[in-house]
Amino acid sequence: GQNIDQPTEMTATEGAIVQINCTYQTSGFNGLFWYQQHAGEAPTFLSYNVLDGLEEKGRFSSFLSRSKGYSYLLLKELQMKDSASYLCAVMDSNYQLIWGAGTKLIIKP
Amino acid sequence: GAVVSQHPSWVICKSGTSVKIECRSLDFQATTMFWYRQFPKQSLMLMATSNEGSKATYEQGVEKDKFLINHASLTLSTLTVTSAHPEDSSFYICSARWQGSTEQQYFGPGTRLTVT
Repeated sequence: GQNIDQPTEMTATEGAIVQINCTYQTSGFNGLFWYQQHAGEAPTFLSYNVLDGLEEKGRFSSFLSRSKGYSYLLLKELQMKDSASYLCAVMDSNYQLIWGAGTKLIIKP
Repeated sequence: GAVVSQHPSWVICKSGTSVKIECRSLDFQATTMFWYRQFPKQSLMLMATSNEGSKATYEQGVEKDKFLINHASLTLSTLTVTSAHPEDSSFYICSARWQGSTEQQYFGPGTRLTVT
């Protein structure tokens, strides 16, 4: 079966760095997405990785290792507004998104 | 660019009635739209994939006669929840994919449905 694993909840301090991991087992791979979702709102796109390596976009970076079935989202200089759920999703061979359960990130002052 | 709207943003209806939710791609043509449902503290659950001009493909366990999907144009898909029950109360989110793109989906803001 297809499976996406990510931690349920993480806590970090304002101004610090946090890394949210995601491991996956899917039938085929056409890219991995990270989305941010605030409570009561729809997900918003953060990043897309299809090749191995690190993609940096401002305070957020995303890393992918296809051979390990592993990705992480790195958030730097954490701000209170970064408190949200972070969803990892993999596009399988049918170009369908397989979603992780999300990681709730709590930022403390 | 790539804006997707949903209407209504929230709706309360009585048990047994039907509710229609619209999903529109405002500045691009979407050959494929997706309908998701999300219960509190859970991840997105894909309900169906809707391709313009053809019947929707429903995920296992989703009743196609209860959740009617119509994708009549390249910018509009509708989800009708028929004979709604309290257990249908959820957050319904649509997303759309660019014509010719196999990558990113753009999400609408979601519709909060409460069935009393």
